[in-house]
Parts: sequence; C-alpha cells; structure tokens
Amino acid sequence: EAQVTQNPRYLITVTGKKLTVTCSQNMNHEYMSWYRQDPGLGLRQIYYSMNVEVTDKGDVPEGYKVSRKEKRNFPLILESPSPNQTSLYFCASSLDGDGNSPLHFGNGTRLTVT
Amino acid sequence: TQLLEQSPQFLSIQEGENLTVYCNSSSVFSSLQWYRQEPGEGPVLLVTVVTGGEVKKLKRLTFQFGDARKDSSLHITAAQPGDTGLYLCAGAWNQGGKLIFGQGTELSVKP
Repeated sequence: EAQVTQNPRYLITVTGKKLTVTCSQNMNHEYMSWYRQDPGLGLRQIYYSMNVEVTDKGDVPEGYKVSRKEKRNFPLILESPSPNQTSLYFCASSLDGDGNSPLHFGNGTRLTVT
Repeated sequence: TQLLEQSPQFLSIQEGENLTVYCNSSSVFSSLQWYRQEPGEGPVLLVTVVTGGEVKKLKRLTFQFGDARKDSSLHITAAQPGDTGLYLCAGAWNQGGKLIFGQGTELSVKP
C-alpha cells in the first residue's frame, strides 16, 4: 500500500532534549516536505526537499533541521525543542513538488514540549 | 510574505444547504489545490486547478480558479454530514517546492 509513515504519533518531551521525528515514503517520490499545523494558522511549511541531498527552508524553519540522505526518508530533527514548537507535525511527499502532483500526507505527529 | 487568505474560518450549516469557501491571495499561482482533512488524519487531495477560469466538478463539489490565478472557490451543493471536515486550499508557484496553505475552513454539517 502506498503510504507516508511518520513516527511517533505522539511525543511528550521536555525543553532542550533533542528529538527526531521519522518520515518514510514507499512511492519513490522525489519531493518531501514537513509542515506544522496550529489552530487558526493552517499548515506552515518547515523544510522541503526536491531530491536526495537537496533541502530548502520553508516559511518557518527556525529551530528545525532535516536531512535527505536517501530518497525514501526525510527525518525532522529538533536539536533543542522549546514549548513554542508544541504542535501537530505532518510529513508529505509528491512526485515532483511542482504543485500539480498530489501531496500524500502521513497521519501526523502530535508533539508536546513542556 | 506571501499569504493565502481562506474564508470563512468556521461554518456550521444544516444538511441540504449550499455553501462556498473562498481562497484569496495577492500572488499569482501556477496551480492551486484543495484538500480535505478529517480528525486524526493528514489532508487528502480533492482537486488541482491550473488554468485561469478553470472549473472542476467532483460530485456535489465545484471548484473554480480565478481568471488571474490569484483566487479560488469551493462550492458544495446540498451539504451532507459526511462533508464535515477541515477544508484547505494550497497554492504553488513556478519556482517549485514551496507550497503555501490557507488557514483552513472548519465545516460542520448537522443532520
């Protein structure tokens, strides 16, 4: 089954404790992206990747890192999480990122930073 | 900062009513997509529009892309409780890679 898999689904952590949210897709998509979703703000793009070893900042990249060492995986790293990073995070992938192909989303990771 | 304004933010209607959701920007988009999201899940694509003035229909849903490719609308005819969910528009530019979402419209259709 074609899917985007994020782990974990829920994560509670403390300020400053490094964490990684994993994202994997099995559709051989070139484009992958991370979003955060907050009430009243919709989805805001954190980072995106057009292909392996190519990553770019979205609208809200501060406090986040990503890597794209292989096509299928696009982990999101929070080196020193802070409470304002408490949010619902979505990973997504599409064929080529040109806006014409559908974005396939994971089921989300709800992160709480205390 | 490029913005995509979506309205209304909340909509609560009775089954059988019609509704329209709007998505507006000062930017010109190469394409615009509409997604629907249910609680606990990621958004799912409903439609992509790419040509100014384009109208697409998906059963009771009608999507329109403005002539200048700066705005779009989603019209639902005879809404049903199964239409309840969060509707999101998303615009893309020719530069590729960046996709901007509207704030979303939370639709509740009561039986």
